[in-house]
Amino acid sequence: EDQVTQSPEALRLQEGESSSLNCSYTVSGLRGLFWYRQDPGKGPEFLFTLYSAGEEKEKERLKATLTKKESFLHITAPKPEDSATYLCAVRSSNDYKLSFGAGTTVTVRA
Amino acid sequence: EAGVAQSPRYKIIEKRQSVAFWCNPISGHATLYWYQQILGQGPKLLIQFQNNGVVDDSQLPKDRFSAERLKGVDSTLKIQPAKLEDSAVYLCASSLDPGTVSLGYGYTFGSGTRLTVV
Repeated sequence: EDQVTQSPEALRLQEGESSSLNCSYTVSGLRGLFWYRQDPGKGPEFLFTLYSAGEEKEKERLKATLTKKESFLHITAPKPEDSATYLCAVRSSNDYKLSFGAGTTVTVRA
Repeated sequence: EAGVAQSPRYKIIEKRQSVAFWCNPISGHATLYWYQQILGQGPKLLIQFQNNGVVDDSQLPKDRFSAERLKGVDSTLKIQPAKLEDSAVYLCASSLDPGTVSLGYGYTFGSGTRLTVV
């Protein structure tokens, strides 16, 4: 069974204080690793897909990287509007469903 | 493009009662998913439809949960009878087809229905 573990559970940052979120995964045949952002009371919003070790994707202050066992989401010089829960999910070669981690809740203080 | 619509937004019921949730996916999206998100956890897939047919319902508690997708468009998820542990947010998502998930577009989620069972 696919397993996704995210750390830390919660992260409190000062505005401008860069940091990284971790997503460790176990999957039989990775067909994609996905990052989503979830705001309170809303559904997850798609950010990135990564497919192979060494791949990187960027969007504004966010940068996602992938190794064979984990992915990192780097937040550079965060702003209060980056406050959200960030979810990591994987898709295996066996089926089409996404298996999600529990998420990291990021709070950025002005 | 209109997003995934879900209703109601909130529902409070007593245990052993029944409840139904409705989802209208993005127009043209053949694949529809229902996820359950318990507070503090990531979403867990309950059922996946491809057009009218069920692709994966392995994690759906079939003794109390049922789902259908009429004419390959709207979908309803029903719980009967509800238990306290069913308290969660029920998320509906859609995608063009499973292949586009592989191409990196991900799913588009609705805002969910928050169910509280008391």
